Amino acid sequence: AQTVTQSQPEMSVQEAETVTLSCTYDTSESNYYLFWYKQPPSRQMILVIRQEAYKQQNATENRFSVNFQKAAKSFSLKISDSQLGDTAMYFCCFSNNNDMRFGAGTRLTVKP
Amino acid sequence: NAGVTQTPKFRILKIGQSMTLQCTQDMNHNYMYWYRQDPGMGLKLIYYSVGAGITDKGEVPNGYNVSRSTTEDFPLRLELAAPSQTSVYFCASSYGWAEDEQFFGPGTRLTVL
Repeated sequence: AQTVTQSQPEMSVQEAETVTLSCTYDTSESNYYLFWYKQPPSRQMILVIRQEAYKQQNATENRFSVNFQKAAKSFSLKISDSQLGDTAMYFCCFSNNNDMRFGAGTRLTVKP
Repeated sequence: NAGVTQTPKFRILKIGQSMTLQCTQDMNHNYMYWYRQDPGMGLKLIYYSVGAGITDKGEVPNGYNVSRSTTEDFPLRLELAAPSQTSVYFCASSYGWAEDEQFFGPGTRLTVL
């Protein structure tokens, strides 16, 4: 079974600064998808960004971007110009045709 | 468009009681999922469904049952509740399986005493 590891249980960043959240995964598959989901204190989880493993280009969504290193099985999330509303739990998710796994999450606090 | 809705929001059960967590989506998604989230842990897949009448086990199915009689509804049944089932339960749906974004409900916080 695939595993997803988020090695940073908690992180904090000053408003307007940049922060990077780490995610590594273990798989023998070549075709899969990776996601970052955000869970604000209100608890409803929403998608932040999505990456297809067969695409070399890193995904970006406004202030959010990923550094996808397929050989290293690494999928980090970079948040630029951090805002107070970015305070949340962030979950990394791996999925392919046979499996779907979430990491344990990173609690990010943006400080004013 | 309500998205994914779950009821109840909170529930306290006694050991051995049973209950059903309700989940409804209005996006005409084929796939629906039930997860549990324990403190400090990620989401673990309990059951999923690929369409009406088709369900399958996820990573942690023991102690739970599901059914999917319509596209919209995917209830999760807890039989003989145990303290180990104390958790936050999330329902989600998606159009496709691996490649598509999942849309999550607000969750149900269940405590078994």
